[in-house]
Amino acid sequence: EVQLLESGGGLVQPGGSLRLSCAASGFTSSSYAMSWVRQAPGKGLEWVSLISGSGGSTNYADSVKGRFTISRDNSKNTLFLQMNSLRAEDTAVYYCAKYGGQVIDYWGQGTLVTVSS
Amino acid sequence: DIVMTQTPLSSPVTLGQPASISCRSSQSLVNSDGNTYLSWLQQRPGQPPRLLIYKISNRFSGVPDRFSGSGAGTDFTLKISRVEAEDVAVYYCMQATQFPHTFGQGTKLEIK
Repeated sequence: EVQLLESGGGLVQPGGSLRLSCAASGFTSSSYAMSWVRQAPGKGLEWVSLISGSGGSTNYADSVKGRFTISRDNSKNTLFLQMNSLRAEDTAVYYCAKYGGQVIDYWGQGTLVTVSS
Repeated sequence: DIVMTQTPLSSPVTLGQPASISCRSSQSLVNSDGNTYLSWLQQRPGQPPRLLIYKISNRFSGVPDRFSGSGAGTDFTLKISRVEAEDVAVYYCMQATQFPHTFGQGTKLEIK
């Protein structure tokens, strides 16, 4: 059974940093691209970033480019999102997601990030 | 970026009746490999999203057959043949043909 468990969310001040983690199980993580998708309170879904199975290729939404970095440690089946220079508009639930081909087929439960002074 | 536009944004339906949601993309979602990476997701209240349909019309594992997808190019539709109480949710279309991957605004399905 595929399971994705996010952690690392919390309250951070504007301009601060946070690192999210996603522990994956139930599949060989190096074989699949992974992604972060966020959802601001009461709003829709926003795709944030993707990393290939090997970790050699990454893509970002313009809204986070230069501030967020996606990475993975396949030896530990863990996905990361390093978030720097955080803004109020980054406040959201951040979901870890697994791709099967070019389809997001599994989602984690999410972790809440609140950027506020 | 490819803009995904869903209609309606809210859909009150009667239990047992059909429901339909439309999704239009600002450009063709046909990929260079010939596939069209258009998915439909369901998000029940307080839950993460869940994959229902992928590549326009393929039902994901465990999805009831009352859900179906159709369309081509830039116009796509999700249909529920007979709405059940557990279908109350927000439904999103998503394209993964081109980066950045993008979502529709969401359609809230409510029971009349």
